[in-house]
Amino acid sequence: SAVISQKPSRDICQRGTSLTIQCQVDSQVTMMFWYRQQPGQSLTLIATANQGSEATYESGFVIDKFPISRPNLTFSTLTVSNMSPEDSSIYLCSVETDSFYGYTFGSGTRLTVV
Amino acid sequence: AQSVTQLDSQVPVFEEAPVELRCNYSSSVSVYLFWYVQYPNQGLQLLLKYLSGSTLVKGINGFEAEFNKSQTSFHLRKPSVHISDTAEYFCAVSLNTGGFKTIFGAGTRLFVKA
Repeated sequence: SAVISQKPSRDICQRGTSLTIQCQVDSQVTMMFWYRQQPGQSLTLIATANQGSEATYESGFVIDKFPISRPNLTFSTLTVSNMSPEDSSIYLCSVETDSFYGYTFGSGTRLTVV
Repeated sequence: AQSVTQLDSQVPVFEEAPVELRCNYSSSVSVYLFWYVQYPNQGLQLLLKYLSGSTLVKGINGFEAEFNKSQTSFHLRKPSVHISDTAEYFCAVSLNTGGFKTIFGAGTRLFVKA
């Protein structure tokens, strides 16, 4: 299955600033997914990123707050903009596995906003 | 609306004892079912999946799960756990609605004690 390199692994940021998270996949994939995992909770899908088109955002998430880039079939970025302490979470990127259905996840970015 | 319920938020168990982590789902369309494991400070790893066929599915690390359509359940089992199985376990459902959106349960934290 695909191997995902996600960075940074963790960061502590000041409120009002922005952080860009990067995901690099070792093979070409059509769709990449970005999830948020708030403390002690499950994963919530933020958006689906297709190469060459605008990302599709889930209810409750907007492009101004979470802009996504997908410049090619192996790379994507998620930016958390104008951060507040409520944005403190683990952010994970994901792709579909080679064996169809089921997903491979990056190791996550643990974000703390102070 | 579709949902995934993990009935236990925490499961403590002694090493070498059997364990069952419970998962129920509700959906008006056909689904695919998954279990993922998240070790501390890591991303999610696919344990096993049910797409079709035999209702008993075997996964990695000695885990297995059984799909019960009448009870809409997909419980995860292991006959003898190790300390290294201590982790967060997530049940997930992908909906066969064309986009195969995945919904995650809230997670079950498995504590294996010596």
